[in-house]
Amino acid sequence: SQQGEEDPQALSIQEGENATMNCSYKTSINNLQWYRQNSGRGLVHLILIRSNEREKHSGRLRVTLDTSKKSSSLLITASRAADTASYFCATVPVPLGGADGLTFGKGTHLIIQP
Amino acid sequence: DVKVTQSSRYLVKRTGEKVFLECVQDMDHENMFWYRQDPGLGLRLIYFSYDVKMKEKGDIPEGYSVSREKKERFSLILESASTNQTSMYLCASSLIGAVNNQPQHFGDGTRLSIL
Repeated sequence: SQQGEEDPQALSIQEGENATMNCSYKTSINNLQWYRQNSGRGLVHLILIRSNEREKHSGRLRVTLDTSKKSSSLLITASRAADTASYFCATVPVPLGGADGLTFGKGTHLIIQP
Repeated sequence: DVKVTQSSRYLVKRTGEKVFLECVQDMDHENMFWYRQDPGLGLRLIYFSYDVKMKEKGDIPEGYSVSREKKERFSLILESASTNQTSMYLCASSLIGAVNNQPQHFGDGTRLSIL
């Protein structure tokens, strides 16, 4: 069953601008992960943030987590055409569900206009 | 780098056929997963396995079975393919326990069409 919900469903921005995607979830979590999927390919893990962390950085990526609001955001700074992809959040709920509890949202489709 | 290899990128089969989708990972991961991905529905877990010969149902196991005879290989079987099983199928693997903060590593997917 889906727990994470990304917002917006689609986002189109100009190259060089920052892109922000949001994820909301319903139950308490152990950690939250962000994945990227290029068209026709598998998912690639981007970053993981634990429930006791509030912010995490990896290169041009910045992830925040607000457990009181049950939400996370993914910021991509100085976007490039190669960032065009779908982005998914995935949560590990507490208590654990099946399959180590990883539940994916439906994704945000990001288009970077050159 | 972890590599998860799915045997086919594209596959076309007929209704009623028995279909095998194969997945191999090269990083000695304990966990392996099969998802299907459909527009507007996101990823849905079909089956997973946390050890050889072990399997657990996911959210949508009906019409599917799996086999894990070796640690590196996880097969998804469509017992009698139907048109509503036309989809993108994704295999993934991970070290034991996402609770231990281990990411999942995905193959490139198999786009299966059932005619």
